Amino acid sequence: DAGVTQSPTHLIKTRGQHVTLRCSPISGHKSVSWYQQVLGQGPQFIFQYYEKEERGRGNFPDRFSARQFPNYSSELNVNALLLGDSALYLCASSLDDDEQYFGPGTRLTVT
Amino acid sequence: GEDVEQSLFLSVREGDSSVINCTYTDSSSTYLYWYKQEPGAGLQLLTYIFSNMDMKQDQRLTVLLNKKDKHLSLRIADTQTGDSAIYFCAETRTGGFKTIFGAGTRLFVKA
Repeated sequence: DAGVTQSPTHLIKTRGQHVTLRCSPISGHKSVSWYQQVLGQGPQFIFQYYEKEERGRGNFPDRFSARQFPNYSSELNVNALLLGDSALYLCASSLDDDEQYFGPGTRLTVT
Repeated sequence: GEDVEQSLFLSVREGDSSVINCTYTDSSSTYLYWYKQEPGAGLQLLTYIFSNMDMKQDQRLTVLLNKKDKHLSLRIADTQTGDSAIYFCAETRTGGFKTIFGAGTRLFVKA
């Protein structure tokens, strides 16, 4: 069975640009969460979606938004990119309120 | 606060046991996790424990939970060079939508 997949693997953007990151959960998993991991730190919670509804949001500005599609895949959008948005963006899926399985991440570099 | 705290570094010799410690703050945490992250990779779920358990053993891994002191530990028996990685402690609060991670403990295994 395929695990959580994310695309793209790497991305380089310029300050002020917009980015869309994509995540496909494990088959049958209805919950998708997004995390930001800055170099040298642990992952920070951004969003969780369950059954296409936002269930929770971390302390991130409104420049960050996300959505979940009927097939449970998800997109994370970041507008007006800042240098500080450079990080590894991790997606995790879970069946419900149980263990989360993480994808390999998308490494975003903002120059 | 909502901090999960871990020591930053641990160095052990191959064949010895490693013990990685973590403290958390929220007594309502329902799940407590240990994740492993190798360089350039996503997070691998190693094991987890429900908050109503004291101990969980899974092959070389033993998790101990002291709920009174809000202390979680991961013991790796017969540590191998392939165990060298960053280990993250994490907790999911009641309601299940937000997982809080520690900053990670970097484990060095010397041959």
